[in-house]
Amino acid sequence: DIQMTQSPSSLSASVGDRVTITCRASQRIALYLNWYQQRPGKAPKLLIDAADNLQSGVPSRFSGSGSGTDFTLTISSLQPEDFATYYCQQGYSTPPTFGQGTKVEIK
Amino acid sequence: EVQLVESGGGLVQPGGSLRLSCAASGFTFSNYEMNWVRQAPGKGLEWVSYISSGDNTIYYADSVKGRFTISRDNAKSSLFLQMNSLRVDDTAIYYCARDRGSGYYLDTWGQGTLVTVSS
Repeated sequence: DIQMTQSPSSLSASVGDRVTITCRASQRIALYLNWYQQRPGKAPKLLIDAADNLQSGVPSRFSGSGSGTDFTLTISSLQPEDFATYYCQQGYSTPPTFGQGTKVEIK
Repeated sequence: EVQLVESGGGLVQPGGSLRLSCAASGFTFSNYEMNWVRQAPGKGLEWVSYISSGDNTIYYADSVKGRFTISRDNAKSSLFLQMNSLRVDDTAIYYCARDRGSGYYLDTWGQGTLVTVSS
């Protein structure tokens, strides 16, 4: 199975900060990398697929980049509604696997 | 509106069985691959099972293989997960998720149903 490792596991940031979350795959996965946001008590929501394709309705302050084994999710200016846990997930092979999550908290 | 609604969760003893359902609406269910994903209390996301649109291809996580069975009824726009020989570590919220295909793009999720396995 492909292992997905996110860093950091948690971070504290203020409204307006630029936030970067990284995700590393244990083997090359081309662009088969998705990012999800999960607010407390809610289901995950797909933010970005294929490494950098922003889903319809997702604010443009979210962006994704990377290919192969190293990927990044960036929030350019953190908003109050962005405080949540973010997961990366590889869709290159079965089983699809998720990172352990990055919890973004209010500083 | 595209919607997925899970049901069937509850409290069950170790070794017991449960059948989860996921009712889909707002899209042509038969055109989409579907998945079950679970999340243990306070933990991350774990993929459980996949079924193709025509149900001719099915995959399971090793942790549930031989105990869980995924199925679908395209005429009723419904997805199912039959869970047998349940263990304490199967305790989780179970989500059904629509898959856009060709890479496990899980673009729509239900609200989840809680399964608690405890004596």
